[in-house]
Amino acid sequence: AQSVTQLGSHVSVSEGALVLLRCNYSSSVPPYLFWYVQYPNQGLQLLLKYTTGATLVKGINGFEAEFKKSETSFHLTKPSAHMSDAAEYFCAVSDPGGFKTIFGAGTRLFVKA
Amino acid sequence: DGGITQSPKYLFRKEGQNVTLSCEQNLNHDAMYWYRQDPGQGLRLIYYSQIVNDFQKGDIAEGYSVSREKKESFPLTVTSAQKNPTAFYLCASSPTGEGNQPQHFGDGTRLSIL
Repeated sequence: AQSVTQLGSHVSVSEGALVLLRCNYSSSVPPYLFWYVQYPNQGLQLLLKYTTGATLVKGINGFEAEFKKSETSFHLTKPSAHMSDAAEYFCAVSDPGGFKTIFGAGTRLFVKA
Repeated sequence: DGGITQSPKYLFRKEGQNVTLSCEQNLNHDAMYWYRQDPGQGLRLIYYSQIVNDFQKGDIAEGYSVSREKKESFPLTVTSAQKNPTAFYLCASSPTGEGNQPQHFGDGTRLSIL
């Protein structure tokens, strides 16, 4: 069965600092991986996705993530945090043959001025 | 603009009452989903539908029911059998439901008990 673990329910960074949100997955087949962002009282928006090909994936708003099969990880990074990045971030995994996506518990990002 | 519309934004349920949450999409997507979101638990799948007139139970279907009579619409009924309905409910869709497709989400309905 597939699963997703997001390390750290809360992460706090200063404005301009590196953002690193950690995600590890478990899957018996090559997975499809996603990062979504959720602002208060809104739905989720896609930041980026990995399906096949290049393991370094660039998304919107300056975020990127690297698929590392050997570490079963898909960590999300951004070189310089902005106040507008404060939100909750969800890592998700699905498999090629399935119709279900498994979401992690989420990491809330706080950005300090 | 294409998207998913959920209504109402806030809903209150009395004891023993069934309530229905609306979800409409104009993205021409075949697959639609309902999730429940509780603090610290991520999203849990309630029901999903890959095509009109067909739907499947997700991980937490007990106390909920759905219908899919039209491609655009996938309403969720929270029945009186759901003893802990207070949560944020999210509807989503994707083109065909295959795993490599990201899901598009509505802005949710927050349900509370009176």
